[in-house]
Amino acid sequence: QVQLQQSGPGLVKPSQTLSLTCAISGDSVSSTSAVWNWIRQSPSRGLEWLGRTYYRSKWSHDYAASVKSRISISPDTSKNQFSLQLDFVSPEDTAVYYCAGKTSVTNSATFDVWGQGTMVTVSS
Amino acid sequence: DIVMTQSPDSLAVSLGERATINCKSSQSVLYSFNNKNQLAWFQQKAGQPPKLLIHWASTRESGVPDRFSGSGSGTDFTLTISGLQGEDVAVYYCQQYYTSPWTFGQGTKVEIK
Repeated sequence: QVQLQQSGPGLVKPSQTLSLTCAISGDSVSSTSAVWNWIRQSPSRGLEWLGRTYYRSKWSHDYAASVKSRISISPDTSKNQFSLQLDFVSPEDTAVYYCAGKTSVTNSATFDVWGQGTMVTVSS
Repeated sequence: DIVMTQSPDSLAVSLGERATINCKSSQSVLYSFNNKNQLAWFQQKAGQPPKLLIHWASTRESGVPDRFSGSGSGTDFTLTISGLQGEDVAVYYCQQYYTSPWTFGQGTKVEIK
C-alpha cells in the first residue's frame, strides 16, 4: 500500500518561497511507471494541478502555465521523496497543497494516492 | 486548457435513492490510441484529500462499492450513486487526464435529503 507523507511550513510571508516535501512509502520516486504531482485546492480556484515529475530513461517535469515561472518540483532519490518550491508567493497562493501520485503498484490511470494535505497561508 | 463543467453544483438525495452527477468537457477526452476516455471521478469528504473512485470513465478502483458507476464518452460523462448511503455525503469531482494541464470540475456536493 502506497502512502504519501507531506511536511513543510503552514505559514509563508509574501514574496518568499513556499517549500513542501512529500515522502513516499510503498513505491519508488524513480519508478518508470509512476508520476508524482503537486495539486492545490482553494475556494477561489478549486482543485488546481500545479506540476509533476517522473522518471523514464531520464527525469522529466511538466508545470501548469499559471505557475510555470515560479515553480520547481524535484525528486530526491536518496530519501525517496519529492518536493515543491513555489517562489515569490502572494496571498493568492494561500491554499491546501496536496502531493499526489499515479503509482506503479496499481493499474490506475491518474492520481490514485494522495498526501494528507498542508494548509499554507501566505501572510505577513 | 480543457474546461470541465459539472452539474448540478449540489444535490440532496434521500437515503437509498439514486444520485446522478454530470460532467462535460470542453473537448473530447477519448484517446483514439486505446479507445478509452481519459476521465476520472473523485470523492472528497470533509477534511480529507480526494479519493479516486473511477478512471477510464467507468472502471472502478479496487475496493470502491459497486453502487458507484461511471458512464459516458467523448465530452459527456455521468457518475451515478445507486442507493445513496450516509457515508456517501461528500463533494464529487471529475478530472480529465487527456492532456496537460490536468483539470478538474468545480465539484458537486451530495447531501442527504
